Amino acid sequence: QVQLVESGGGVVQPGGSLRLSCAASDFTFSTYGMQWVRQAPGKGLEWVAFIWNDATKKAYGDSVKGRFTISRDNSNDTLYLHMNSLRGEDTAVYYCARWGLSCSGDKCYLSAFDYWGQGTPVTVSS
Amino acid sequence: SYVLSQSPSMSVAPGETAKITCGANNIGRKSVHWYQQRPGQAPVLVVYDDSDRPSGIPERFSGSNSGNTATLTISRVEAGDEADYYCQLWDSSGDLVVFGGGTTLTVL
Repeated sequence: QVQLVESGGGVVQPGGSLRLSCAASDFTFSTYGMQWVRQAPGKGLEWVAFIWNDATKKAYGDSVKGRFTISRDNSNDTLYLHMNSLRGEDTAVYYCARWGLSCSGDKCYLSAFDYWGQGTPVTVSS
Repeated sequence: SYVLSQSPSMSVAPGETAKITCGANNIGRKSVHWYQQRPGQAPVLVVYDDSDRPSGIPERFSGSNSGNTATLTISRVEAGDEADYYCQLWDSSGDLVVFGGGTTLTVL
């Protein structure tokens, strides 16, 4: 059973930094792209960042560009989100998700986020 | 870049059919995915690539996508379907992932 377990959330002051981790298990981590998605209290889902399976491509949402960095360690099956210059509006539950693949024959393409972790809460407050 | 428009809420009686829409210009050209999120829980994928269902998702959940509207249809709605539903796509030209604002489904 695919498992994604986030950790590293907590309370941090504005301007501070935090590193989130997402430990993956029961699938070949190095085969899959990964995502970070967040949800502010009472709000909808907001995409944060993605990284390809081999880390050759990364992309970020406009609200975090230049402050957050996504990375991965395929030898330890772990995804990271380094968050700097944190603001109150970064307060949210942060989810990691696996970027699933749809395959037809020997051709596969990126599809939906097929597995999600339970999330780790981040509160930015003085 | 895409902006996905969803109605904030809808209500349906048990046993009826709920149609949740996601609108954007030429969305029919993209693959759209749908997620269910119950209160206090992580999102769960219910429809991917416009109309495919992951294993374990009831056949009551179906999807379609054409023109400017993608639709998630829930047939024979049950109390347990009460949740927020989000559409999502990947805009590969801009390397952006986009979520709709979400629709809260209330079962009367």
